[in-house]
Amino acid sequence: RKEVEQDPGPFNVPEGATVAFNCTYSNSASQSFFWYRQDCRKEPKLLMSVYSSGNEDGRFTAQLNRASQYISLLIRDSKLSDSATYLCVVRGEYGNKLVFGAGTILRVKS
Amino acid sequence: NAGVTQTPKFQVLKTGQSMTLQCAQDMNHNSMYWYRQDPGMGLRLIYYSASEGTTDKGEVPNGYNVSRLNKREFSLRLESAAPSQTSVYFCASSDNGGNYGYTFGSGTRLTVV
Repeated sequence: RKEVEQDPGPFNVPEGATVAFNCTYSNSASQSFFWYRQDCRKEPKLLMSVYSSGNEDGRFTAQLNRASQYISLLIRDSKLSDSATYLCVVRGEYGNKLVFGAGTILRVKS
Repeated sequence: NAGVTQTPKFQVLKTGQSMTLQCAQDMNHNSMYWYRQDPGMGLRLIYYSASEGTTDKGEVPNGYNVSRLNKREFSLRLESAAPSQTSVYFCASSDNGGNYGYTFGSGTRLTVV
């Protein structure tokens, strides 16, 4: 079983739609959680950290469910510019190493 | 603000050739990392350096060596390239706790023929 699992998609949605991605992780001792965004042929960039209480940044909302070991990302009012691959990322119990999911592809169409 | 700089951006090698990928960061981060990214497999950790003077193996270290030259620079060496090492390589750095995630370089696209 992979340490971090995501639905690869692609999710094809129209502009203005709301879309949600889930991610599960296997290590119950994981300490930190993130969503990264990766554009085609570019490096991953931090989108947002995920806190236990949930957090929101504009149109983006991240949730963490420790009991079920999953993380979610909700994007409201999707824009064409949101088209990218979204990587779920988990930091383990020790050290600084991050473990990356394989990513979920989002395509927003006009 | 350069952040993390990787060179070269593209490289084609013949099987058996060697090369070194260079990485430098100007954010005064202690920790640095090398990942490879292959389709459908996500980013996999090759080697990392928690601080200057230390290096450790990651998930896929075979066929690679690293050098933490100083706090800023962390290089990745392929001694005898193989087609299986065709990939996109990313260098990253972070503060001690990694609490703010990593900052990545723009990547090196390596093809081994």
